[in-house]
Amino acid sequence: QKEVEQNSGPLSVPEGAIASLNCTYSDRGSQSFFWYRQYSGKSPELIMSIYSNGDKEDGRFTAQLNKASQYVSLLIRDSQPSDSATYLCAAWGGFQKLVFGTGTRLLVSP
Amino acid sequence: SAVISQKPSRDICQRGTSLTIQCQVDSQVTMMFWYRQQPGQSLTLIATANQGSEATYESGFVIDKFPISRPNLTFSTLTVSNMSPEDSSIYLCSVVNRVASEQFFGPGTRLTVL
Repeated sequence: QKEVEQNSGPLSVPEGAIASLNCTYSDRGSQSFFWYRQYSGKSPELIMSIYSNGDKEDGRFTAQLNKASQYVSLLIRDSQPSDSATYLCAAWGGFQKLVFGTGTRLLVSP
Repeated sequence: SAVISQKPSRDICQRGTSLTIQCQVDSQVTMMFWYRQQPGQSLTLIATANQGSEATYESGFVIDKFPISRPNLTFSTLTVSNMSPEDSSIYLCSVVNRVASEQFFGPGTRLTVL
């Protein structure tokens, strides 16, 4: 069973701080990795994709990938209360389907 | 990204009945999936909707309970048959952007079975 693991949280950070969300995956063959944000009662929204080792920045978001350690992370700088949501990590594995983690709930307090 | 719509957005149904959920995409997509998300849980893949052939179901999901149609590259339906309260969930259609392997989700259908 190919898995993606995340800490369920909640991860609580004050407004303006950096939120660090982590994810590990078991399938060494995975080549594509994604972070989704899901607000309560809404569908998942793709916020970052990363395919190569290293960092990828987009606005306040930075995704980091380390294939040797099978580790993906998402950093959110200058966290805002509107960032409070569940963040899902996903890896594109074999058999042509995404494998999702169970999600980390982020709470940003004003 | 593709624009995905689902109908209905929500419904309340009686036990034993069936509901068909429609998914429409504004562009042709090769890969289309149906997911279920129960309250407080992560996403569970039900099946891959294959154009022109039978859907590919994940373990624990069967065609008799969740028949799927995909008549073309922009449209699919999922039917939840002979419903029970355990089928109460959000059902999500999802498509893949082939170029970047990015996957996008529709707004979901919130189903409540009484």
